[in-house]
Amino acid sequence: GAGVSQSPSNKVTEKGKDVELRCDPISGHTALYWYRQSLGQGLEFLIYFQGNSAPDKSGLPSDRFSAERTGGSVSTLTIQRTQQEDSAVYLCASSLARPYEQYFGPGTRLTVT
Amino acid sequence: GQQVMQIPQYQHVQEGEDFTTYCNSSTTLSNIQWYKQRPGGHPVFLIQLVKSGEVKKQKRLTFQFGEAKKNSSLHITATQTTDVGTYFCAANYGGATNKLIFGTGTLLAVQP
Repeated sequence: GAGVSQSPSNKVTEKGKDVELRCDPISGHTALYWYRQSLGQGLEFLIYFQGNSAPDKSGLPSDRFSAERTGGSVSTLTIQRTQQEDSAVYLCASSLARPYEQYFGPGTRLTVT
Repeated sequence: GQQVMQIPQYQHVQEGEDFTTYCNSSTTLSNIQWYKQRPGGHPVFLIQLVKSGEVKKQKRLTFQFGEAKKNSSLHITATQTTDVGTYFCAANYGGATNKLIFGTGTLLAVQP
């Protein structure tokens, strides 16, 4: 079956512009996660959605970052007024309910110029 | 906050040598997962450990979960060039959230 997909694969934007990153999880997976990975670094947790529960937003670095998940499936991560330090690979993962393995998408490489 | 320390940060071995990476948490974990990320790729799940003192093997890979459920290790016997990549542990602290806190990762380089 299809894995986790993300779009776009690459995004170059100017400082101050808003960007939207999309994630399509594996069908039937109730949990969805967003992470950020800077070059050569580890994975930084951003936000976690589980079913109809309120999302865990504890990892969002500032109020410029927001995410939503519509219909329990597709998710969009929005970064407003992008800064150069936002440049990174943004990874999405999905899983069945706790505490199962996470399946990662290929990521979106964001470059803020 | 919750932190997961992973050492070493980088390891360079000759093909055929063994390799071990260690993961440590200051607080007790509910479970721990291990992932491998090849250069240019995305993390891929390897295994999950849940029980205190648990040991699991996958071919040349041996995973251990400490008795106190605060540390874990991944050992690779007789490394091969296909083992190249970054190995991450990912800690789950249980409770109301299922988020994973990823360790800093160990980059393994294998010289043929």
